[in-house]
Amino acid sequence: AQSVSQHNHHVILSEAASLELGCNYSYGGTVNLFWYVQYPGQHLQLLLKYFSGDPLVKGIKGFEAEFIKSKFSFNLRKPSVQWSDTAEYFCAVTLDTGRRALTFGSGTRLQVQP
Amino acid sequence: DAMVIQNPRYQVTQFGKPVTLSCSQTLNHNVMYWYQQKSSQAPKLLFHYYDKDFNNEADTPDNFQSRRPNTSFCFLDIRSPGLGDAAMYLCATSRDRAQETQYFGPGTRLLVL
Repeated sequence: AQSVSQHNHHVILSEAASLELGCNYSYGGTVNLFWYVQYPGQHLQLLLKYFSGDPLVKGIKGFEAEFIKSKFSFNLRKPSVQWSDTAEYFCAVTLDTGRRALTFGSGTRLQVQP
Repeated sequence: DAMVIQNPRYQVTQFGKPVTLSCSQTLNHNVMYWYQQKSSQAPKLLFHYYDKDFNNEADTPDNFQSRRPNTSFCFLDIRSPGLGDAAMYLCATSRDRAQETQYFGPGTRLLVL
């Protein structure tokens, strides 16, 4: 069965600092990769996703992620964080065949200090 | 404009008393999912419907059941809630392919006394 690992459980940054959140998955076949964000008191929403094409994908609010197949990684980046980026970030995968449901990583709680 | 609606937002029940959570969608999506999210943990899939086909996860307890009477509505029934079932329950929808974005509702927070 596939699994997703997020190495950073809690990250604290100052505004304008750069962000990189790690995500690795374990599955040998074709996967679809997602980053979802959950702002305080709000529902989960999509930041960005990758399923084919350019491995560098851009999402909302200045976020981007790079799919590196050889490393089974899909790290999330933002060059300059804002206080409003304070949220929980989840990496997730679906398999390209069969299983449509998301397998989530354990999440990274990002706290941005003004 | 709400696309995935969950009712109620908060539900308090007693140990062993059946409870039903509801989800509706305005997206006309084929697939509907129920996830359980406990505090500080990742959402965990309980089951999903692809149209009318029910797909149960192997480790979902028998205590949890679901109904999808039509495209728009899906229900989660907990027959005999235990203290360990206290969690946020998330409903999500998507079109039929695995690459598709899942759209989540705001969740129902269940408290078991």
